[in-house]
Amino acid sequence: DSGVTQTPKHLITATGQRVTLRCSPRSGDLSVYWYQQSLDQGLQFLIQYYNGEERAKGNILERFSAQQFPDLHSELNLSSLELGDSALYFCASSPTAGPSYEQYFGPGTRLTVT
Amino acid sequence: AQKITQTQPGMFVQEKEAVTLDCTYDTSDPSYGLFWYKQPSSGEMIFLIYQGSYDQQNATEGRYSLNFQKARKSANLVISASQLGDSAMYFCAMREEKYSGAGSYQLTFGKGTKLSVIP
Repeated sequence: DSGVTQTPKHLITATGQRVTLRCSPRSGDLSVYWYQQSLDQGLQFLIQYYNGEERAKGNILERFSAQQFPDLHSELNLSSLELGDSALYFCASSPTAGPSYEQYFGPGTRLTVT
Repeated sequence: AQKITQTQPGMFVQEKEAVTLDCTYDTSDPSYGLFWYKQPSSGEMIFLIYQGSYDQQNATEGRYSLNFQKARKSANLVISASQLGDSAMYFCAMREEKYSGAGSYQLTFGKGTKLSVIP
């Protein structure tokens, strides 16, 4: 158990809908990273937050957004969903915004868009 | 160009044998970190081992060791005494540590190698 929690574990929704994925980092970790794992794109970095502030963006679509709350949990919002958004979404946490030895991954949320 | 290359889509190994999973990387950053993660069929990403670019010795964690050859830009994972529970996808990842102003240190992943351990 990495100490990172993600809910829900599975999500099935229809095209055009909006969903919210939730992540709670390990106790004391200030940095949260979101990754998307799909069959065609592999594992890709989406966005990072550190202590409530956005730090970096990767290959994140404009239809997607995220935020980190004062209690450090983070939410990834996906809107106007398309079939191609079906993927496994991970969050990972680390203690700081800077280099640290590990990023601990949560169990992931499997999103299926029908 | 790909930053992380894993050339073996699939590998088979006999139980109790050792196996090497290949990983090459591409970076101009003098400071970087290399990671290996295991992803079993259940889907979670399990951290296995880390190697920093300035580390003098190869990293080891139990049955896992990282064969780091900096000049060749390779960071192969060696699993000794394979067990049936080692059957999984294995991902090599890199974190470039050049301060970019924003201070983000996200991981870049390879496409993975599927390891199957045969009894």
